Amino acid sequence: GAVVSQHPSWVICKSGTSVKIECRSLDFQATTMFWYRQFPKQSLMLMATSNEGSKATYEQGVEKDKFLINHASLTLSTLTVTSAHPEDSSFYICSPRGRPNTGELFFGEGSRLTVL
Amino acid sequence: QKEVEQDPGPLSVPEGAIVSLNCTYSNSAFQYFMWYRQYSRKGPELLMYTYSSGNKEDGRFTAQVDKSSKYISLFIRDSQPSDSATYLCAMIAGGYNKLIFGAGTRLAVHP
Repeated sequence: GAVVSQHPSWVICKSGTSVKIECRSLDFQATTMFWYRQFPKQSLMLMATSNEGSKATYEQGVEKDKFLINHASLTLSTLTVTSAHPEDSSFYICSPRGRPNTGELFFGEGSRLTVL
Repeated sequence: QKEVEQDPGPLSVPEGAIVSLNCTYSNSAFQYFMWYRQYSRKGPELLMYTYSSGNKEDGRFTAQVDKSSKYISLFIRDSQPSDSATYLCAMIAGGYNKLIFGAGTRLAVHP
C-alpha cells in the first residue's frame, strides 16, 4: 500500500496555542487530501477535503478558521489547529488520494493532540 | 438513518474461532468497499478492498459483498490474539466522493 507519513504522532500543548500537523505522501502524488478526526471509541469523522493548490472544503460543523489546511504541494499537506482548547483534543488522521484514482484510500499513522 | 450501519461490539472470541463482521448500507451508489483494521492509537490499515459483488480472499481474510442486499462482510479464519483491534468498514460512491465509515467493531481474541 501507499506510504503516508504523519507527524507529530503525539503532541501536548497549552490551551490557546496553535499546533501544526504534517502529512506527507511518500510514494505518490496526492492531488487530494482528506483530514479526519477521531474521538475515543468512535469512528473517523471527515473534517475537510483539500485539493492541491486550492482552498479546502470543510464539512458541516467544522470551523475553517480554527482548522487551517494547507495543501501547497502534491506530497505535503498540513493541518493547523489554531488557538487550541481542551475540546480539540482528539486523534487527527490524514488520508491522501492520488491519480489514478483506484478507490483505495490509505491513512497516516495519526496525530494525537492533547490540549491542557 | 446512517448511510452505513455497523455493530460496534465489542465482540469477544476464543483463539482459532471464525469471526464474522458485517455492515449494511443504504446508498445504492456505493461502488467500492473496504475493510480497515485499526489498532489502538494507530491510523487505519487497509485490509481488503473490493469493487464488485462476490467474495475476495486474502490469507485468513475473506471479504464478501452483496450489492443486492446492501450488505458486506469480513470473515477472519483461525483468529489470533494479534487480530484484536477495531475493524472499520468503509465505502465510497466512486470518483472523488468522500469515504463513508461504519462505526467500527471492536474485536478481542483471547488465548
